[in-house]
Amino acid sequence: AQSVTQLGSHVSVSEGALVLLRCNYSSSVPPYLFWYVQYPNQGLQLLLKYTTGATLVKGINGFEAEFKKSETSFHLTKPSAHMSDAAEYFCAVSAGTNAGKSTFGDGTTLTVKP
Amino acid sequence: DSGVTQTPKHLITATGQRVTLRCSPRSGDLSVYWYQQSLDQGLQFLIQYYNGEERAKGNILERFSAQQFPDLHSELNLSSLELGDSALYFCASSVAGSDRYEQYFGPGTRLTVT
Repeated sequence: AQSVTQLGSHVSVSEGALVLLRCNYSSSVPPYLFWYVQYPNQGLQLLLKYTTGATLVKGINGFEAEFKKSETSFHLTKPSAHMSDAAEYFCAVSAGTNAGKSTFGDGTTLTVKP
Repeated sequence: DSGVTQTPKHLITATGQRVTLRCSPRSGDLSVYWYQQSLDQGLQFLIQYYNGEERAKGNILERFSAQQFPDLHSELNLSSLELGDSALYFCASSVAGSDRYEQYFGPGTRLTVT
């Protein structure tokens, strides 16, 4: 079984400030981890993913995430927020069972203040 | 544009009715996933098909059914509709059945049951 918890349903930052969105997962096998972004009235779009190898993963739009096995975390960061980053962000975990099923977190809405 | 298409974009119908939502995956993708997104339940995985066969099942009600056709497009059938079925329904596709691959989401179908 697998699960994911996103800490904080709403995060607000000022433009230019650090963005930190938290994700903790639970998995009985080595996980595959994903971050998706959803802009208003659109579908989800992949930001980045971790499968194996380097634990620091870089994605699109300046975002990155670090897989920390000891902390069962996969937090998403961006050094400097832009107004265009305002969206909902979802963390997802797959258990590597080839079943094709990902479990999504409840989402974190990011607000960027001018 | 993810390459995943969904029709219709909006659907308004009455309780007790039946509707069909259609999804065409990205060219070359063999897996199709269906999700329901609502304010109170978040993003819920419904069902996955891989190359015409059901691969994984999530929180899909018995009133709902899906299939994937030989040309790989998929349909989600919702019957005996209730007010609580009002939601955004997303289709996603991935290249294979393994959960190491990211999913590409369509723009969604917004279903309103009155």
